[in-house]
Amino acid sequence: DAGITQSPRHKVTETGTPVTLRCHQTENHRYMYWYRQDPGHGLRLIHYSYGVKDTDKGEVSDGYSVSRSKTEDFLLTLESATSSQTSVYFCAISVGAPTDTQYFGPGTRLTVL
Amino acid sequence: QQQVKQSPQSLIVQKGGISIINCAYENTAFDYFPWYQQFPGKGPALLIAIRPDVSEKKEGRFTISFNKSAKQFSLHIMDSQPGDSATYFCAASEDSSASKIIFGSGTRLSIRP
Repeated sequence: DAGITQSPRHKVTETGTPVTLRCHQTENHRYMYWYRQDPGHGLRLIHYSYGVKDTDKGEVSDGYSVSRSKTEDFLLTLESATSSQTSVYFCAISVGAPTDTQYFGPGTRLTVL
Repeated sequence: QQQVKQSPQSLIVQKGGISIINCAYENTAFDYFPWYQQFPGKGPALLIAIRPDVSEKKEGRFTISFNKSAKQFSLHIMDSQPGDSATYFCAASEDSSASKIIFGSGTRLSIRP
């Protein structure tokens, strides 16, 4: 699992509440990613980071923000959760070049009621 | 827009048979084509990958066939086993871009004993 942990692993929340998901890596890799996985859509990139305080938007970034204040931690925040953000969220890292092998964390299942 | 189209959505194969999953892409700048395997409750994991300078890559029972002119690539699983039952994602990326890993929508493979 390339030393990637995600927390929480499961969360149920209500529409309109803020939610923060955490991704932690133990090996100081530069590139980190947040994806969401939904049936029929595969994995879609939300945001990614190429260094401390260096982040950029992915394909489905609306409604999400990220922060990376330390190399090992990449946070994903839903400022005001909506039911359309019910999904499984995966964090990933790249080992070496950004588009080399990506290693994924175990995922966080988020349900927004 | 769906830059990587994957088919079929689901596939059932008898034990010992050949499983074939197909993908097509649009962006001719893509130059790295990985396949990921995902078991229920787990994050995706790299299975095998190919670059467009070769037409085929084989690792054990898994083979990628690549057709650059048709912009298509496929995964073949020979002598399919029940343990191969999983969801498979094709993907494509440009080496020059940290964010441009595009995943297909996934194929749920079931191997009947």
